[in-house]
Amino acid sequence: GQQLNQSPQSMFIQEGEDVSMNCTSSSIFNTWLWYKQDPGEGPVLLIALYKAGELTSNGRLTAQFGITRKDSFLNISASIPSDVGIYFCAGQKDAGNMLTFGGGTRLMVKP
Amino acid sequence: NAGVTQTPKFRVLKTGQSMTLLCAQDMNHEYMYWYRQDPGMGLRLIHYSVGEGTTAKGEVPDGYNVSRLKKQNFLLGLESAAPSQTSVYFCASSLLAEGSYNEQFFGPGTRLTVL
Repeated sequence: GQQLNQSPQSMFIQEGEDVSMNCTSSSIFNTWLWYKQDPGEGPVLLIALYKAGELTSNGRLTAQFGITRKDSFLNISASIPSDVGIYFCAGQKDAGNMLTFGGGTRLMVKP
Repeated sequence: NAGVTQTPKFRVLKTGQSMTLLCAQDMNHEYMYWYRQDPGMGLRLIHYSVGEGTTAKGEVPDGYNVSRLKKQNFLLGLESAAPSQTSVYFCASSLLAEGSYNEQFFGPGTRLTVL
């Protein structure tokens, strides 16, 4: 069954606000990934994290690989309307293994 | 370069009917995957393939079959559709994973409703 718990499940924020979401697991993952899914589209990779404690940015997005390897966080600064979508975390235990996805965080931004 | 394409985009079936979903990729990727997406459940892996002629079961394989006769195509079949198979189906592909994560590229999805 699903091993990654993602929260919050949904967020409705004002344009310009910062956003934080996280993903936790009861087991260790060696790679953490964050995807975004626009309405009616497939997920697209935003950030990949390969090392415990790693902090990586992609524009207004910043993600961290938790030091215990059991969690990861994604922050979006100064949100804009095009940030709307579903954000998924995903973990990979070992190279070559399949991904496990979280349930997603649905983000809605009010202009 | 179209990336990953899926056919059809939408489909409505009656219980017991069969159908095949087609996934095609033009990136020469070795790995291909079929996922289903249900509200609050994220994406769950149905079947995957590590190369032409090979397939393997994922997390939720029951009620589905797959075939990878050509490297660029990965077919998902439903022999006798059930309402529980109402979902959005995504295909993805990636390079051969060697020592690190290789990005999975997703298709646009197929929305299937089983009545």
